[in-house]
Amino acid sequence: EAGVTQSPTHLIKTRGQQVTLRCSPISGHTSVYWYQQALGLGLQFLLWYDEGEERNRGNFPPRFSGRQFPNYSSELNVNALELEDSALYLCASSLSIGQMNTEAFFGQGTRLTVV
Amino acid sequence: EDQVTQSPEALRLQEGESSSLNCSYTVSGLRGLFWYRQDPGKGPEFLFTLYSAGEEKEKERLKATLTKKESFLHITAPKPEDSATYLCAVQGLSLTSGTYKYIFGTGTRLKVLA
Repeated sequence: EAGVTQSPTHLIKTRGQQVTLRCSPISGHTSVYWYQQALGLGLQFLLWYDEGEERNRGNFPPRFSGRQFPNYSSELNVNALELEDSALYLCASSLSIGQMNTEAFFGQGTRLTVV
Repeated sequence: EDQVTQSPEALRLQEGESSSLNCSYTVSGLRGLFWYRQDPGKGPEFLFTLYSAGEEKEKERLKATLTKKESFLHITAPKPEDSATYLCAVQGLSLTSGTYKYIFGTGTRLKVLA
């Protein structure tokens, strides 16, 4: 069974540009989570989507946004990139919050470098 | 405030030297507590889920336990390949927002020396 897949794996962008990161969840999972992990630091919660709706949002500016599609895949968009946005962006998926087993499984991440 | 605190931040062990990692949390309506292993530059790898106090799970040299406000990850006779960052996460009802949250600790960096 395929795990969580993220694309691209690496990305280099210039300050001020916009970027879109993509995530395909495990088949049957309807919840998708996005996290930012700066080098050497912990996971910072960005967004949570469940069954097509945004359920929760972390303490990030509005230039971080996303959406979840009918097939439960998801996109993370970051506008007006800043140098401090350089990080590993991780996507995870789980069964819906209403299910019993809601452990999240992670993809390998997208390494974004802003120069 | 919803919080997950892991200790110690870093731990160096000799091969075969058993130890425990701690994860304490503050969240109401706990749905589950999760342990992950993360290697540098990679996504976290799921290890265990614990749902209620008194529950224990084992996998090879790792054993996770849960009490009412904390969890322990016991590592028995570790090997160098166990070196990684171990993350704890809780899913529960946020005390501040009233919605469900999946909250991660900052992890314990484990180094096992041969």
